[in-house]
Amino acid sequence: DQQVKQNSPSLSVQEGRISILNCDYTNSMFDYFLWYKKYPAEGPTFLISISSIKDKNEDGRFTVFLNKSAKHLSLHIVPSQPGDSAVYFCAGPQNDKLIFGTGTRLQVFP
Amino acid sequence: DADVTQTPRNRITKTGKRIMLECSQTKGHDRMYWYRQDPGLGLRLIYYSFDVKDINKGEISDGYSVSRQAQAKFSLSLESAIPNQTALYFCATSDLKGLGGRTGELFFGEGSRLTVL
Repeated sequence: DQQVKQNSPSLSVQEGRISILNCDYTNSMFDYFLWYKKYPAEGPTFLISISSIKDKNEDGRFTVFLNKSAKHLSLHIVPSQPGDSAVYFCAGPQNDKLIFGTGTRLQVFP
Repeated sequence: DADVTQTPRNRITKTGKRIMLECSQTKGHDRMYWYRQDPGLGLRLIYYSFDVKDINKGEISDGYSVSRQAQAKFSLSLESAIPNQTALYFCATSDLKGLGGRTGELFFGEGSRLTVL
């Protein structure tokens, strides 16, 4: 059972526009969520997080929105830049482990 | 130097061979993890360890074993490699200083690409 789902395997966005990456979850017990970014030939790196008691967290160009009733979170990148091209994973904690989604490959083109 | 170092970075082996992937960290974290990444499947947890005397199975532990030789070292072994273990393997560490005092941010190594022919 995939507890964290990213239904869009890829997304292509023009530079300067908004990128919206989506994530759905089934486990209501997650008390926070994290987004990771992964470049080719590198390990994933932490990008931004959100506590389940909040509905929004912003860090520069990156904003996470959480809709608990819909069990859905999204990552907004505004404005998108070519350097944002990477694979993005959402993750939630379960029993002190992180459960990751399948990832979304974002490509930002000029 | 990287805080989480994995060796080897790339390895090609044959079916039935024993292979070990090693991970060492300088972050001083107690918690260490092994994940594998496959296209379309994301990152899946193989094994994890919360301290030297603690070893736990993850969601896909069959065919793998681990050893926590020291706080800083956590190795993953494939006793008899098979082709469907071809994947990108990541070691990660964390401490307890996350949100709410629970497991927080994971710090990943650069990955070990394993190909089993």
